[in-house]
Amino acid sequence: NAGVTQTPKFRVLKTGQSMTLLCAQDMNHEYMYWYRQDPGMGLRLIHYSVGEGTTAKGEVPDGYNVSRLKKQNFLLGLESAAPSQTSVYFCASSYSRSTGELFFGEGSRLTVL
Amino acid sequence: DQQVKQNSPSLSVQEGRISILNCDYTNSMFDYFLWYKKYPAEGPTFLISISSIKDKNEDGRFTVFLNKSAKHLSLHIVPSQPGDSAVYFCAASNQAGTALIFGKGTTLSVSS
Repeated sequence: NAGVTQTPKFRVLKTGQSMTLLCAQDMNHEYMYWYRQDPGMGLRLIHYSVGEGTTAKGEVPDGYNVSRLKKQNFLLGLESAAPSQTSVYFCASSYSRSTGELFFGEGSRLTVL
Repeated sequence: DQQVKQNSPSLSVQEGRISILNCDYTNSMFDYFLWYKKYPAEGPTFLISISSIKDKNEDGRFTVFLNKSAKHLSLHIVPSQPGDSAVYFCAASNQAGTALIFGKGTTLSVSS
């Protein structure tokens, strides 16, 4: 059982480049989330989805877009990367609303030069 | 404005002793609290949770205490083991919310 899988695990971008992070879960969860973790800042919510075809903004959504075309996948896009987006990105999923346990992926480390 | 605060960035304890990690929150609408543990280069993993209708929840060596009047919760680890060395995140949610709000984390170091 793979759980939550993120690809790629590492990526280096130049300022202005675009990229997409893919999150896939095999637990049939309705809810999916993208968080970023920065030193001294904890985990901050970027965007989330409460079901296939839905997305919503979190605490720090600027500069990111997301899509949930299939229930098992949640994509995070950076249209024009900036050095401030250098971070570790975590995808998570859950069966129900936030009283339930979130299952996290291993993280994707993104560096923007 | 932080809704979930972990004011101690780090904590060091000796093996066998008790570790106490603290968390404060400001939103009185939070009704569910969770603790996550994170090792380097891994994703956070769920540790223990507590509903706002309770004041204590215990799971093996881990106990979470909730003081609603003080808007404070704590995680007790007894006895502490070197394998407990990790970053611990406190998180909270409310009925209207659909995502957890996390604190900044506390790095626990348990020495043998």
